[in-house]
Amino acid sequence: DAKTTQPPSMDCAEGRAANLPCNHSTISGNEYVYWYRQIHSQGPQYIIHGLKNNETNEMASLIITEDRKSSTLILPHATLRDTAVYYCIVGGGGSNYKLTFGKGTLLTVNP
Amino acid sequence: EAGVVQSPRYKIIEKKQPVAFWCNPISGHNTLYWYLQNLGQGPELLIRYENEEAVDDSQLPKDRFSAERLKGVDSTLKIQPAELGDSAVYLCASSLDLAYNEQFFGPGTRLTVL
Repeated sequence: DAKTTQPPSMDCAEGRAANLPCNHSTISGNEYVYWYRQIHSQGPQYIIHGLKNNETNEMASLIITEDRKSSTLILPHATLRDTAVYYCIVGGGGSNYKLTFGKGTLLTVNP
Repeated sequence: EAGVVQSPRYKIIEKKQPVAFWCNPISGHNTLYWYLQNLGQGPELLIRYENEEAVDDSQLPKDRFSAERLKGVDSTLKIQPAELGDSAVYLCASSLDLAYNEQFFGPGTRLTVL
């Protein structure tokens, strides 16, 4: 069963912020939101994760709505190298941690 | 620090032949995962190891697929016999342990079954 809904594709201009949405209306209280990305011909790469608070690291920011039913991954200054498929995943933490990937969003950063 | 190493990167075989994929995780990582990725789809978990113990192999088709991680370090995934539908990318990932949230993926092995 799909636990997240993402748009299949998005475009972004180089240097602008890329905002990738994700709906996860059936998320349960102990489930985290994870974001990974996969550049063509490479394995997926971890970006960020969060439970209910907004999170920021050197790669991106994660904004989770108060009801936790949706989130947005923000790449503040997209570059051509950020062109990739971005996966939003909800899953348990700790020993219940398991990644179930959907089809993700293909983000294309244009010059 | 070296990443997750997988070999071979590409493999072409005829159907009904056996094939094996090898993975060496990041040093010190106790948890190892094998995923299968079909074209245009996200990766799907096949098996998860904690040290040498398979803690989740519910998605592994056991009639033709097998895996081992004998010394709790590197791992081998085998298919025997291969079918046309097994053509896919096989990804290996590792993490410090089951409770750690970040998985590190290798580049994958692209299998083509003719």
